[in-house]
Amino acid sequence: QKEVEQNSGPLSVPEGAIASLNCTYSDRVSQSFFWYRQYSGKSPELIMSIYSNGDKEDGRFTAQLNKASQYVSLLIRDSQPSDSATYLCAVISSGSARQLTFGSGTQLTVLP
Amino acid sequence: GAVVSQHPSWVICKSGTSVKIECRSLDFQATTMFWYRQFPKQSLMLMATSNEGSKATYEQGVEKDKFLINHASLTLSTLTVTSAHPEDSSFYICSAEGRSRNTEAFFGQGTRLTVV
Repeated sequence: QKEVEQNSGPLSVPEGAIASLNCTYSDRVSQSFFWYRQYSGKSPELIMSIYSNGDKEDGRFTAQLNKASQYVSLLIRDSQPSDSATYLCAVISSGSARQLTFGSGTQLTVLP
Repeated sequence: GAVVSQHPSWVICKSGTSVKIECRSLDFQATTMFWYRQFPKQSLMLMATSNEGSKATYEQGVEKDKFLINHASLTLSTLTVTSAHPEDSSFYICSAEGRSRNTEAFFGQGTRLTVV
């Protein structure tokens, strides 16, 4: 069983719309959650980190964490074509010596 | 944010040769460095975790004698792919983190290895 699950997509949204990316994790006591953006052929770039329940906003990005339901999401408002990339959800689970476990990624395409 | 520099960004080598990839933390002390491998259209797979001054911990299925990791200082870790074969062709990425519990891991630029 995968520890971090994401819909692989592809997810397509029109420019200006809200893109919603979801992620579930299996380790109930996970404490640290991250969203990375990865352009093709490049290494991941940290977009958001979230550690407590609720919403965390940074510009056009909002991360939402619900530990009871074991899911974390990323909302991208006013989506731009430059947001087209693969978005990776990552979790640091308990007892894992701070290793990031990545989901398989969701490919997002923002259509102009 | 913190900067992690990975070198080279791409390398082509002949089958049977060895390739060394360097990962440096430029503005912080990296107590732990991670090495990942990513095949096309797949997610990052952790290969090994290295702590400064100690032996690396390898994930299941990763051959420690083939993928040699050295973390001799708080700012440098190296991954050497020994006796490379075409199936080792992949995108190798390092990440580094500092001492704070909640600090994010910062990634190097990645190295595209092609073995011919």
